[in-house]
Amino acid sequence: EDKVVQSPLSLVVHEGDTVTLNCSYEVTNFRSLLWYKQEKKAPTFLFMLTSSGIEKKSGRLSSILDKKELFSILNITATQTGDSAVYLCAVRNTGNQFYFGTGTSLTVIP
Amino acid sequence: DAGVTQSPTHLIKTRGQHVTLRCSPISGHKSVSWYQQVLGQGPQFIFQYYEKEERGRGNFPDRFSARQFPNYSSELNVNALLLGDSALYLCASSLAWGSDLTDTQYFGPGTRLTVL
Repeated sequence: EDKVVQSPLSLVVHEGDTVTLNCSYEVTNFRSLLWYKQEKKAPTFLFMLTSSGIEKKSGRLSSILDKKELFSILNITATQTGDSAVYLCAVRNTGNQFYFGTGTSLTVIP
Repeated sequence: DAGVTQSPTHLIKTRGQHVTLRCSPISGHKSVSWYQQVLGQGPQFIFQYYEKEERGRGNFPDRFSARQFPNYSSELNVNALLLGDSALYLCASSLAWGSDLTDTQYFGPGTRLTVL
């Protein structure tokens, strides 16, 4: 069965800390891995990763994919209270189906 | 530019009823996908449509159906509602289908369905 597993399920940090969120997957016919941030309702797109070892970076956020070990990490440096959200990882297969993990709930305390 | 819009925002139904949810994609986007998100879980893929044709289907019963119109808007229909259908229903649009460059999905705010 195809699945995406995220860890930890929840995380509480202080402003300024660096966090690493994990996403492992077992999806047949992998095509791409995506990260989203969900604050209230609509998930907002962060990154799409298709190749191993190439880091995607946007401000304080960065992500990398390891297709051999079947995982990805999302790093957030110098966290701010505005980073508090649920971070979702999704994997798309070549059949155009998307599999989401349950998310990591991040709380950043001032 | 308007993002993905969904209607209604909230809906309360009783078991056995039928519901229709609506989605308008970002202007210029031709693909629409539907997801069900139960509280505390990640979104579960239901359908994807591109150019009015179904291009992908998740593991949902036949009570769930959808269609896409010539203007690329979409409807999700759910028949014979069950208590377990209570969830946030998300619509996502993308520019096209079949290419990583055009398949980034942008989500709407969702419709919160409560089945009593």
